[in-house]
Amino acid sequence: DAGITQSPRHKVTETGTPVTLRCHQTENHRYMYWYRQDPGHGLRLIHYSYGVKDTDKGEVSDGYSVSRSKTEDFLLTLESATSSQTSVYFCASGSTNTEAFFGQGTRLTVV
Amino acid sequence: GQNIDQPTEMTATEGAIVQINCTYQTSGFNGLFWYQQHAGEAPTFLSYNVLDGLEEKGRFSSFLSRSKGYSYLLLKELQMKDSASYLCAVTGGATNKLIFGTGTLLAVQP
Repeated sequence: DAGITQSPRHKVTETGTPVTLRCHQTENHRYMYWYRQDPGHGLRLIHYSYGVKDTDKGEVSDGYSVSRSKTEDFLLTLESATSSQTSVYFCASGSTNTEAFFGQGTRLTVV
Repeated sequence: GQNIDQPTEMTATEGAIVQINCTYQTSGFNGLFWYQQHAGEAPTFLSYNVLDGLEEKGRFSSFLSRSKGYSYLLLKELQMKDSASYLCAVTGGATNKLIFGTGTLLAVQP
């Protein structure tokens, strides 16, 4: 399996607080992705990166920001968490014309 | 933009064959993926199609028609452990944006 890890795996936070989720890969993959998964919606793309310092918005980017200062790390930040951001977050990484490998997910609850 | 459609749910019988369809519309196409996801777990890769035609891998096969924006995943000799969600995904453009459909929940019955 590809070396891709997410931290933390579980987090409970209060409304209005900032939260940062970390994705770390050891495969030297160029592309990295953040998704959220909610019942009835499947995997929805939040932001993605196509290189160091190169990022773009996905389908549901409002309320989220990302940073990629190194190939191996892709951070997702919720500037001010809201209850609607309670979800399971998945990170993935991949190279051109190869499959994307997923981390194990982060279950975030905003109370 | 990109849009991917697949049926929400399907039911099949153990030992049978099932075909899960996926249609897509995308501005720029690099390839199409199929993933399997069991409840509470991360998606795992099943297949990747770039060119038209059928790719076979054991009990699973995937077909692609780029001109029709259509793919299907064929599962043979169904087993109970195949009960899962099957996700169709498309990459497109120079930035390799990866978009998923909402997934098809397959229930395999005895």
